[in-house]
Amino acid sequence: DGGITQSPKYLFRKEGQNVTLSCEQNLNHDAMYWYRQDPGQGLRLIYYSQIVNDFQKGDIAEGYSVSREKKESFPLTVTSAQKNPTAFYLCASSFRGIANTEAFFGQGTRLTVV
Amino acid sequence: EDKVVQSPLSLVVHEGDTVTLNCSYEVTNFRSLLWYKQEKKAPTFLFMLTSSGIEKKSGRLSSILDKKELFSILNITATQTGDSAIYLCAVETGGSYIPTFGRGTSLIVHP
Repeated sequence: DGGITQSPKYLFRKEGQNVTLSCEQNLNHDAMYWYRQDPGQGLRLIYYSQIVNDFQKGDIAEGYSVSREKKESFPLTVTSAQKNPTAFYLCASSFRGIANTEAFFGQGTRLTVV
Repeated sequence: EDKVVQSPLSLVVHEGDTVTLNCSYEVTNFRSLLWYKQEKKAPTFLFMLTSSGIEKKSGRLSSILDKKELFSILNITATQTGDSAIYLCAVETGGSYIPTFGRGTSLIVHP
C-alpha cells in the first residue's frame, strides 16, 4: 500500500537532548514537508524539500534541522536549541511541478519534553 | 506575507444542523485552495478549488470558491457526530507550490 509513515507516534525528550523524527513515503513524491501543530494554531511550516539533497526553511525553522538524502525519506531533528518543542509534528508529501495536486499526510508524532 | 484566515475557530452544533465554514485569503499568485478534515491525527483531503463559482460536492459536503472576493466556504448539511473534526483550509501559490494553512475550525457535533 502506498503511503506516508511517521515514527514514532509518541516521543518523550529530556531537556537538552536532540531527537529525530522519521518520515518515509513510497508515493514517489518529489516534495516533502514538515509541519508543527499546536492547539488552535493550525499547521506551521518548519522545513520543506522539493528535490533530493535540497531543502528550504519554512516559517519556524529555528531549532530544527532536516536532511534529504533519499527521495523517500525526510527526517526532522529537533535540537536542544528549540525552546518549546512540545507539539504535534506532521510530515506531508506531494508531487512537485504538477499543478493542483494535494498533499498527503502521515499520522503524526507527538513530542513531549519531560 | 501570505495569509489564510478561517472562521469561526470553533463551532458546536447538534446532529442534523447545517454548518458553513469560512476561509479567506490574501496571497500572491494564487493557484488553488484546499480543504482538509483532521479527525485525530492525519489530515485527509476533501476538496481542491481552482475556479470561481464551481461547486465541488461530496455527499453532504460541498465547497465553492470566490476568487474576486478571495474566500471559500465549506458547507456540511445534516451534520452527524462523525463530522466532528478540525477542518483546515490551505492555499497554494504558483511557483513554490507550498501550501499555507489557516488555523482551522474545530467542529463538534453533539448527538
